[in-house]
Amino acid sequence: KAGVTQTPRYLIKTRGQQVTLSCSPISGHRSVSWYQQTPGQGLQFLFEYFSETQRNKGNFPGRFSGRQFSNSRSEMNVSTLELGDSALYLCASSRDTGSYEQYFGPGTRLTVT
Amino acid sequence: KQEVTQIPAALSVPEGENLVLNCSFTDSAIYNLQWFRQDPGKGLTSLLLIQSSQREQTSGRLNASLDKSSGRSTLYIAASQPGDSATYLCAVRPVSSGGSNYKLTFGKGTLLTVNP
Repeated sequence: KAGVTQTPRYLIKTRGQQVTLSCSPISGHRSVSWYQQTPGQGLQFLFEYFSETQRNKGNFPGRFSGRQFSNSRSEMNVSTLELGDSALYLCASSRDTGSYEQYFGPGTRLTVT
Repeated sequence: KQEVTQIPAALSVPEGENLVLNCSFTDSAIYNLQWFRQDPGKGLTSLLLIQSSQREQTSGRLNASLDKSSGRSTLYIAASQPGDSATYLCAVRPVSSGGSNYKLTFGKGTLLTVNP
């Protein structure tokens, strides 16, 4: 069974640009969550989607947005990039029933210059 | 607001030693607690998941315990190996309404180094 996949794995962008990251969950998983990981703040929750609906959002500015498609794949978008957006962006999926165990992808390393 | 603390922040041990990593959380209203491993620059690998009704879970050389009332969990690693070197993170899922139960709150992790 394939794990969570994220594309691209690495990105270098310039301040002011925008970026779109993609996440494909484990087959059968309908919940997709996004987290930002930085050395200073650790892992911080961005948002969670289930059946194309955002159910929860973390404390991030409106420049961070996301969506989920009918096949459960999810994208997150960051507009007007800032240097502080440089981070590892992790996607996780779960069944949303029973144990709610979360499975993480390898992440997308975003560097903003 | 739920806060998760992991102590120590870093730990260095010789190969073969048994060790314990600690995780504490401020709000005992949790659905479950999950331990993860992260290798440098990589994603998170789920190690053990403990439901709030459980006291411990075991997988191979790993044993995780949960004391919900005191807000503590430990991850015990037996007979440590150099391949166990990684950052270990614990995360809790809260029990609450309003959507906040749909996220994990993470500790900052413990960086473990096992020396050959």
